[in-house]
Amino acid sequence: DVKVTQSSRYLVKRTGEKVFLECVQDMDHENMFWYRQDPGLGLRLIYFSYDVKMKEKGDIPEGYSVSREKKERFSLILESASTNQTSMYLCASGGGGTANTGELFFGEGSRLTVL
Amino acid sequence: KNQVEQSPQSLIILEGKNCTLQCNYTVSPFSNLRWYKQDTGRGPVSLTIMTFSENTKSNGRYTATLDADTKQSSLHITASQLSDSASYICVVSAGFQKLVFGTGTRLLVSP
Repeated sequence: DVKVTQSSRYLVKRTGEKVFLECVQDMDHENMFWYRQDPGLGLRLIYFSYDVKMKEKGDIPEGYSVSREKKERFSLILESASTNQTSMYLCASGGGGTANTGELFFGEGSRLTVL
Repeated sequence: KNQVEQSPQSLIILEGKNCTLQCNYTVSPFSNLRWYKQDTGRGPVSLTIMTFSENTKSNGRYTATLDADTKQSSLHITASQLSDSASYICVVSAGFQKLVFGTGTRLLVSP
């Protein structure tokens, strides 16, 4: 079974702190994604990556950066956390090229609270 | 503007009853449509995928339909179980790496 593992299920941080959210997938997928999920807004794409060291902005990249040094690992970084970044963060991976059926495999989510 | 709208926002049904969730989309170009199930506190999991040429597809007690002309899809759940309590998210693919998410329908199955 595909497994996408997010390092932290729950985090509480203070305004201005730097936050790292780690995501690892074990299916050799080319594509990896970071979403945030807020009530009434659905999932919104922050960043995605289709290859190692490659990254593309999604719909709401402001205040976030990402890193993909290895194929299996995709990190989301909040340089200076703010209260409006309190949210559920979901990492996902999916196949590329001919393996791309559009299906995403999600992690369990990381619920971040910024005080 | 690409949009996916789901209705109802929330729904409560008795265990054993059937229900139908709706998804209307204005996404172009259309590649495929997926229904995901998201249990509380978990990540979404794909239930089914519908392509342009498919009208109906079943996955156990879940049956999805697609009307590409009216740009509508539905997810029908038969003989509901308590474990069906979850959010159901409709996602339309507009091509490479372009997914448009609905805000979901929250279903509660009551004993």
